[in-house]
Amino acid sequence: SQQGEEDPQALSIQEGENATMNCSYKTSINNLQWYRQNSGRGLVHLILIRSNEREKHSGRLRVTLDTSKKSSSLLITASRAADTASYFCATLSGGSYIPTFGRGTSLIVHP
Amino acid sequence: NAGVTQTPKFQVLKTGQSMTLQCAQDMNHEYMSWYRQDPGMGLRLIHYSVGAGITDQGEVPNGYNVSRSTTEDFPLRLLSAAPSQTSVYFCASSTPGQGGGYGYTFGSGTRLTVV
Repeated sequence: SQQGEEDPQALSIQEGENATMNCSYKTSINNLQWYRQNSGRGLVHLILIRSNEREKHSGRLRVTLDTSKKSSSLLITASRAADTASYFCATLSGGSYIPTFGRGTSLIVHP
Repeated sequence: NAGVTQTPKFQVLKTGQSMTLQCAQDMNHEYMSWYRQDPGMGLRLIHYSVGAGITDQGEVPNGYNVSRSTTEDFPLRLLSAAPSQTSVYFCASSTPGQGGGYGYTFGSGTRLTVV
């Protein structure tokens, strides 16, 4: 069963706008990861945030984690058409090193 | 580095046939896993391994078999294919790290159709 659930399921924006997607999860985690999947391709790891971290940046990506609300958000600033993809959150809990994935957010960035 | 290599990329099977999906990684990763991806369902874990000789079941293991005789290889066997196994299959690998593990490296997937 999915641990993380992304919201919204689909997001359509114009190039240059910011894109925000959220992930909620049910149980305590060790870390939370975000992945991107381009159409017909495998997933690519974007960023990992540990349970004792609140915010992390990587280029145009900003991830926040609120463990009290069991939620995370991924912000992509100044979106480009090349950012069009599905984005998944994945959580690791307990002693497991095998992530559990959500159903993903489909992002379309219009040129 | 090739990363995670999956073969074949596409496969069509008849109901009842068996086959093996191959997965190999050249990063000396201890952890390997198999997921299936179906529309609207996200990725569901089939089987995983935390090292050579060690495998365990995930969320949807029925109809699949795995083995891990070497660190590099983690094949997934379909014992008797059924139309419900039509899906895209992904193999992924990672290595443990402080704080709970690194991100996973995924293969490019195998698109399987069972008719």
